[in-house]
Amino acid sequence: GENVEQHPSTLSVQEGDSAVIKCTYSDSASNYFPWYKQELGKRPQLIIDIRSNVGEKKDQRIAVTLNKTAKHFSLHITETQPEDSAVYFCAASPPGTYKYIFGTGTRLKVLA
Amino acid sequence: EPEVTQTPSHQVTQMGQEVILRCVPISNHLYFYWYRQILGQKVEFLVSFYNNEISEKSEIFDDQFSVERPDGSNFTLKIRSTKLEDSAMYFCAKRASGSNEQFFGPGTRLTVL
Repeated sequence: GENVEQHPSTLSVQEGDSAVIKCTYSDSASNYFPWYKQELGKRPQLIIDIRSNVGEKKDQRIAVTLNKTAKHFSLHITETQPEDSAVYFCAASPPGTYKYIFGTGTRLKVLA
Repeated sequence: EPEVTQTPSHQVTQMGQEVILRCVPISNHLYFYWYRQILGQKVEFLVSFYNNEISEKSEIFDDQFSVERPDGSNFTLKIRSTKLEDSAMYFCAKRASGSNEQFFGPGTRLTVL
């Protein structure tokens, strides 16, 4: 079945700098890749997603890139702010099931 | 964002007891999911449920687990004979037909003593 690896596990950046989180997946048939932000004690919240027929998607300070050949996708956050501090999870969704297989999470700390 | 609510927010139970976690209310969605997140770990898929039937389940979802939609709106996860290792956050999620996006509820923190 699908397996998703995520790194780094923790990431500290200075406010205003960029942050990049990377994920790889194993099932080349997976066709949907969401990113979730989870604040302490809260539910995961979708921040951006990308489908397999798209190479890049951007939403204000957040962007996601997908390399289907290499089976990896990345989250880019520019101009980081303290409120970006949270745990970020990537996920891959194999076709037909719509279930999500999550990565292990990245704890992002934005230092003011 | 479509609202997903869960009750209770926190459930404490003794090992061996049965618990029922609820996802309420549900409207206009046919696809439901349960996920588990052990403290400090990743979110893990348990089961997907469509049209009142399980469509897929993970290895975690063994015979002690069951799901149902008893009254057409509430979506429940039952854990029979709870074990210490069942302690985790349990998230319900829903998805609209034709969309990949899943919206998560606030979760139920289950503590098994």
